[in-house]
Amino acid sequence: EAQVTQNPRYLITVTGKKLTVTCSQNMNHEYMSWYRQDPGLGLRQIYYSMNVEVTDKGDVPEGYKVSRKEKRNFPLILESPSPNQTSLYFCASSLSGGELFFGEGSRLTVL
Amino acid sequence: GENVEQHPSTLSVQEGDSAVIKCTYSDSASNYFPWYKQELGKGPQLIIDIRSNVGEKKDQRIAVTLNKTAKHFSLHITETQPEDSAVYFCAATYGGSARQLTFGSGTQLTVLP
Repeated sequence: EAQVTQNPRYLITVTGKKLTVTCSQNMNHEYMSWYRQDPGLGLRQIYYSMNVEVTDKGDVPEGYKVSRKEKRNFPLILESPSPNQTSLYFCASSLSGGELFFGEGSRLTVL
Repeated sequence: GENVEQHPSTLSVQEGDSAVIKCTYSDSASNYFPWYKQELGKGPQLIIDIRSNVGEKKDQRIAVTLNKTAKHFSLHITETQPEDSAVYFCAATYGGSARQLTFGSGTQLTVLP
């Protein structure tokens, strides 16, 4: 089954404790992206990647890092999480910039 | 950069009625306008999209219209059903693809039985 898989789905952590949200897709898509969803703000892009070893900032990249060492994986790294990074995170992928396929989301709470 | 405004933020309709969600965009270079539906606890899914060389597109009970001059586009759902209840997002981008999409703030549609 074609899918985008995120882990963990739910996480509660404390300020400053590094964490990684993994994202993996099995559709051989070149393009992958991370979004955060906050009430009243819609989906805002954090980082995106056009292909392996190619990443770029989206609209809200501060406090996040990403890497794209393999085509299927695009982890989101929070080196020192802060409460304002409490949000619902979505990973998405697409073939050559076409329809976006989203994962089921990762709800992160930073205390 | 692009800015997309979406209205209303919440919309309740009776089953069988029509629902309309409206979006405006700021960048006249934008040429691709998808709509995504997000069911509770799930990620958004593409339901319909339109490109700037087309004024209207239909797919069964859903349709999207685009007015390039006024820089606005709308989602129309006819004969609404309870399973249409969800959050709907409009989006816009230039370059004709899903890269660097700018999303609207979302509309929570509730279809009352």
